[in-house]
Amino acid sequence: DIVMTQTPLSLSVTPGQPASISCKSSQSLLYSDGKTYLFWYLLKPGQPPQLLIYEVSNRFSGVPDRFSGSGSGTDFTLKISRVEAEDVGVYYCMQNIQLPRTFGQGTKVEIK
Amino acid sequence: EVQLVESGGGLVQPGGSLKLSCAASGFSFNDSAMHWVRQASGKGLEWLGRIRGKANNYATAYAASLKGRFTISRDDSKNTAYLQMNSLETEDTALYYCTRHGTFTSPFDYWGQGTLVTVSS
Repeated sequence: DIVMTQTPLSLSVTPGQPASISCKSSQSLLYSDGKTYLFWYLLKPGQPPQLLIYEVSNRFSGVPDRFSGSGSGTDFTLKISRVEAEDVGVYYCMQNIQLPRTFGQGTKVEIK
Repeated sequence: EVQLVESGGGLVQPGGSLKLSCAASGFSFNDSAMHWVRQASGKGLEWLGRIRGKANNYATAYAASLKGRFTISRDDSKNTAYLQMNSLETEDTALYYCTRHGTFTSPFDYWGQGTLVTVSS
């Protein structure tokens, strides 16, 4: 199975400040079609998970542009340029290149 | 509008069984793979398994950790996916979500609200 490792596991951020989450996979997520199958999800309290970023760097519909994703191969990063109160929750990376689908452990983002 | 609505959760004793349903609307259910994911309290997201559509022979795949206790099925005439859970253990207590992966969509772009399963004596 592909192991997804996120760091840090928790973040406390002042509103308006940036935040960054790292996700590393135990195998390359680059597929033969040229796409890299790394996704980011946010689990807010009391809500189902929501897709933020697909294929490393593409924002899903309705996702604010303060969210951005980058990376390649096995190393990926989710950045929030200016954290807002509504961004609190647990962020997960997930690989979709191989079964079983696997998630990172999650990174809990809190507001200071 | 894409909608996924889970139902069937509840309290069950260890060793018991439960069948969850996921009613879908607003998209081409027949062409979509349906997945189940759970979150136990204080734990992370755990992928449980998926069932593909008719074009892919309704192929299923499961997390090895389930040890064959869970089975995913679907009824395309009802736009509904199911998760049959047998030999339930206290560790199966969690919020269970269904989510989709369409032919031309990103995986898990829409999720249901979840249904809570509590395994306790």
